[in-house]
Amino acid sequence: AQSVSQHNHHVILSEAASLELGCNYSYGGTVNLFWYVQYPGQHLQLLLKYFSGDPLVKGIKGFEAEFIKSKFSFNLRKPSVQWSDTAEYFCAVKGGVYGGATNKLIFGTGTLLAVQP
Amino acid sequence: GAVVSQHPSRVICKSGTSVKIECRSLDFQATTMFWYRQFPKQSLMLMATSNEGSKATYEQGVEKDKFLINHASLTLSTLTVTSAHPEDSSFYICSAPSTGLKETQYFGPGTRLLVL
Repeated sequence: AQSVSQHNHHVILSEAASLELGCNYSYGGTVNLFWYVQYPGQHLQLLLKYFSGDPLVKGIKGFEAEFIKSKFSFNLRKPSVQWSDTAEYFCAVKGGVYGGATNKLIFGTGTLLAVQP
Repeated sequence: GAVVSQHPSRVICKSGTSVKIECRSLDFQATTMFWYRQFPKQSLMLMATSNEGSKATYEQGVEKDKFLINHASLTLSTLTVTSAHPEDSSFYICSAPSTGLKETQYFGPGTRLLVL
């Protein structure tokens, strides 16, 4: 079955530092890829998504992610983080079965980002 | 964007009682909704897919008689935790997909359940 791994469980950065959070999935084929963010006390919000086309996807709040099919990866990046980016970040994958896709979202374990002012 | 609400936001109940959690899509219709469970410091685990007008589809290992799902209308799905036990204490989150080719899930704020 499809699985998603996020390599970093906790990340601590200072403001203005660059961010890269890793995400890998296990099965290829047709996949849709997502990054969600959960700010403290709030619900999950969509940061960005990839369905097809340009593998470099730009999302809200200056985030971007690059889909590298050969590496089964969809890493999240931001050139300069802010204190308000402190949150938990989840990578999610839909599909990944050759010859078909499911509508189920499979989540990674999440990465807790703390940005120090 | 689309809005999904959940009620209640938190509930404390005694062991052996049943608890109903509602999930509503506020400004769009959803023939399908999803129920997730999130343990502390863990990811969201899909429990079941709620289908309007038909039976829910449960993931492997999820007891359908314990977690009753009813999708009564195009904007409402309910999850009832029957005969709750302390190990059922968790964060339950629902989601509903937008329509269209580039389907995106919109998540509710979650319900924190504590079973004493």
